[in-house]
Amino acid sequence: QSVLTQPPSVSAAPGQKVTISCSGSSSNIGNNYVTWYQQIQGTAPKLLIYDNNKRPSGIPDRFSGSKSGTSATLGITGLQTGDEAEYYCETWDSSLSGVVFGGGTKLTVL
Amino acid sequence: QVQLVQSGAEVKKPGASVKVSCKASGYTFIGHYMHWVRQAPGQGLEWMGRINSNSGGTNYAQKFQGRVTMTRDTSISAAYMELSRLRSDDTAVYYCARDLGGSALDSWGQGTLVTVSS
Repeated sequence: QSVLTQPPSVSAAPGQKVTISCSGSSSNIGNNYVTWYQQIQGTAPKLLIYDNNKRPSGIPDRFSGSKSGTSATLGITGLQTGDEAEYYCETWDSSLSGVVFGGGTKLTVL
Repeated sequence: QVQLVQSGAEVKKPGASVKVSCKASGYTFIGHYMHWVRQAPGQGLEWMGRINSNSGGTNYAQKFQGRVTMTRDTSISAAYMELSRLRSDDTAVYYCARDLGGSALDSWGQGTLVTVSS
């Protein structure tokens, strides 16, 4: 059971928009930055969003992040088949004094 | 460019220990924490702990306290993760990952598969 809660799966058609939610508590998301990763099958995770809404260089602006209270959201617009992957949220948990991950959300681009 | 290169796959018997290495290049090693994250087959990401590459100070996930040891060698820009008293459910891909700041992990090693089987 993950500390951060994500939907197991989401799906949408190419070109459409999708959002992935990540729910936590005051000890984690509520008081710390949220990070998002993309993991394509068989490869290492890749940083997508950090500090709630910042994109590393090379990440297209189709990917966006937001946070409100104890929840965070990853948005992906203009979906492409190459976006099919597992997406994970992550943050620091002050009560656990450690990093916590969401359980992951599998994105299917129909 | 930042690169993290991990040691190769390992097969261990239950009760044994494994030590995975992570060789860093392309940045100032002591300027960033190094984290270790594992992923069991078909499962999600699980944080194991982190090491301050400068001071050597560590934070371990409670689940691994007493079984995991993270060290580093600043002379060769390498980090190590040793897990002892291995069980079959420790079978996983183990990743090292560089901390950008605020726990965001911006560069990852290629992963090391550790298989625990009798």
